[in-house]
Amino acid sequence: EIVLTQSPTTMAASPGEKVTITCRASSSVSYMHWFQQKSGTSPKPWIYDTSKLASGVPDRFSGSGSGTSYSLTISSMEAEDAATYYCLQRSSYPLTFGSGTKLEIK
Amino acid sequence: QVQLQQSGAELTKPGSSVKISCKASGYTFTSYDISWIKQRPGQALEWIGAINPGSGGTGYNEKFKGKATLTVDKSSSTAFMQLSSLTPEDTAVYYCAREGWYLPMDAWGQGASVTVSS
Repeated sequence: EIVLTQSPTTMAASPGEKVTITCRASSSVSYMHWFQQKSGTSPKPWIYDTSKLASGVPDRFSGSGSGTSYSLTISSMEAEDAATYYCLQRSSYPLTFGSGTKLEIK
Repeated sequence: QVQLQQSGAELTKPGSSVKISCKASGYTFTSYDISWIKQRPGQALEWIGAINPGSGGTGYNEKFKGKATLTVDKSSSTAFMQLSSLTPEDTAVYYCAREGWYLPMDAWGQGASVTVSS
């Protein structure tokens, strides 16, 4: 099983601040996917195939990485971006998610 | 539009079983796999397994073999997950999600809460 380790576990950012969340895989994966989840709601697809934005995702978000190291970046934090973000790998079974990064607004 | 409508909350006792449903609409049900995901309170997401509604073929996370059984009813475009021999550790919200051709888990149900308590 591929273990995905996200960091940080929690963080707070001020409006306008640049934010980077990382996801490290225990073995190399082809792509990384990201989901956003707000409290009490279902996760939403956010970034897929490492760097493609899902429909409706603001372009202040971006994704990058390869092999065992991937990241999600927000160029300029906004209040609506406060949520928990999960990475997902589908390169091998079982599919596995990261432990999540809770992002709060300062 | 694509929708996945899940069944309601369940309160059940240890040792019992529960069957959750996920009714799909807005697309051809047999053309996309359905994944099931577990989320314990305040915890991360866990992939339970997936089913191909066209063939009925399934794939499970080893951790959930013997715990979860995935089925479909093509006539009603509904996917089901049965959880057996329930324990308090099965208390969670369970989601179904459609596996898109390009975008993984591109549509999610609203979640079904299962509480196991004596």
